[in-house]
Amino acid sequence: QVQLVQSGSELKNPGASVKVSCKASGYTFSDYGITWVRQAPGQGLEWMGWITTYIGNTNYAQSLQGRVTMTTDTSTSTAYMELRSLTSADTAIYYCARGGGNYPTARVNDHWGQGTLVTVSS
Amino acid sequence: DIQMTQSPSTLSASLGDRVTITCRASQYISVWLAWFQQKPGKPPKLLIYKASYLEDGVPSRFSGSGSGTEFTLTISSLQPDDVATYYCQQYNQYSPAFGHGTKVEIK
Repeated sequence: QVQLVQSGSELKNPGASVKVSCKASGYTFSDYGITWVRQAPGQGLEWMGWITTYIGNTNYAQSLQGRVTMTTDTSTSTAYMELRSLTSADTAIYYCARGGGNYPTARVNDHWGQGTLVTVSS
Repeated sequence: DIQMTQSPSTLSASLGDRVTITCRASQYISVWLAWFQQKPGKPPKLLIYKASYLEDGVPSRFSGSGSGTEFTLTISSLQPDDVATYYCQQYNQYSPAFGHGTKVEIK
């Protein structure tokens, strides 16, 4: 069965960076993109961006441009999301989800990771 | 960017009631709309994609309709397990966007 397993919770100081991993199994990794979504405490879902795993094309939310980098390692079927210059506003649960790409048919997020809590506090 | 407006923000209904949630896109998105269910402490779960296609394993009491800019999610007979927050998401545009969510409670 399709599974996305994310790395564990992180506590970071303001100004630091965080890198969250998402290991996929149960399907051919290069057949689907990976999308990242975050959710601040008590708030709604915020789309962060996606990466196509076969070429590595990325598309980031304008609000995060310059601070976020999404990458993949096809040898281990793992996707990564790095966010830099963290502030308290970045405190959230970060989710990876299967899906994302240049065409609408590829963008449906049908399977999700369990989420990774990133807390930014001094 | 396309904005998604969901209504209502909170909904309280009795068991067995028919429940409808509306999502409006600020621009034309054809049928590229998904509905997700999220329970506390859990990731979102895909219910409906391409406006009206039921994801595998989702109970048939859930249905979606609409195209263009107006969409609805309907629960034909509300069950205790349906208590959750529901989000619509447009994925027509290069940068998808979610609605703000509708919290469904039992009256």
